Amino acid sequence: EVQLVESGGGLVQPGGSLRLSCAASGFTFSSYWMGWVRQAPGKGLEWVANIKQDGSEKYYVDSLKGRFSISRDNAKKSLYLRLNSLTAADTAVYYCARDTAQGFDIWGQGTMVIVSS
Amino acid sequence: EIVLTQSPGTLSLSPGERATLSCRASQSITSNYLAWYQQKPGQAPRLLIYGASSRATGIPDRFSGSGSGRDFTLTISRLEPEDFAVYYCQQYGLSTGTFGQGTKVEIK
Repeated sequence: EVQLVESGGGLVQPGGSLRLSCAASGFTFSSYWMGWVRQAPGKGLEWVANIKQDGSEKYYVDSLKGRFSISRDNAKKSLYLRLNSLTAADTAVYYCARDTAQGFDIWGQGTMVIVSS
Repeated sequence: EIVLTQSPGTLSLSPGERATLSCRASQSITSNYLAWYQQKPGQAPRLLIYGASSRATGIPDRFSGSGSGRDFTLTISRLEPEDFAVYYCQQYGLSTGTFGQGTKVEIK
C-alpha cells in the first residue's frame, strides 16, 4: 500500500525549532519529488516547499524562505522539514505529499504543530 | 507567484443538484498544470482532477474539470451526500505551487 506517515509535531514555544519527518512506503521514494503543505486551524491549504528526487533542487514559498528547510534521505525513504524561529502563525497541520506531474497525488495524514508559550 | 481566486466561497446545494466551482489565476498557468482537491473535516486532501481535466485514479465520473489559461472550472454533475466538502484548486506549473482559498459545498 502506498503510504506517507508524518511525525514530529507537537507543542513548541515561540522562537523554538522542530523537525518534522515523513516516512514513505509502497512506492519508489527516490523516484519522486516530494513536498510539504500546511493548514492553519480553520484555514485553507498553503504550499510550503518541495524537493527534487536527489535533493539537488529545493523550492520554498517566499514568506517562509530562510526559516524552513526541506531535506530527504532516500536510503531511509524519508522526507524532513526543519522549522526554525517559530511563531504562533506557524501553528498548523503539516502534510507531506508526493509531488508529481499530476499534482500532489498521495498525502499523509498530517502532523500538528502548535506554537504557544 | 500565481494567485488563485476561487468562487464562490460557499455553495449551498441539495443532493442531486449540479455544482459549478470556479478558479481564476492571476496569470496563465503553464501547460494547464491545474489540480483540484477535495477535503473533508479531519482528513487530508484528496486529488480529484489534474492537468485541468483528467480525473485521478478512482474518482467518479460525476466529477469533471475544464478550462485553460487563467480560468478553470470543477463541475460535480449530481451531488452525492459524500460530496459535501471543501474544494481547492492548485497550480503546479511553476517551481513553487499555490492553492486557491477554497470553496465549501454545503447542504442546503
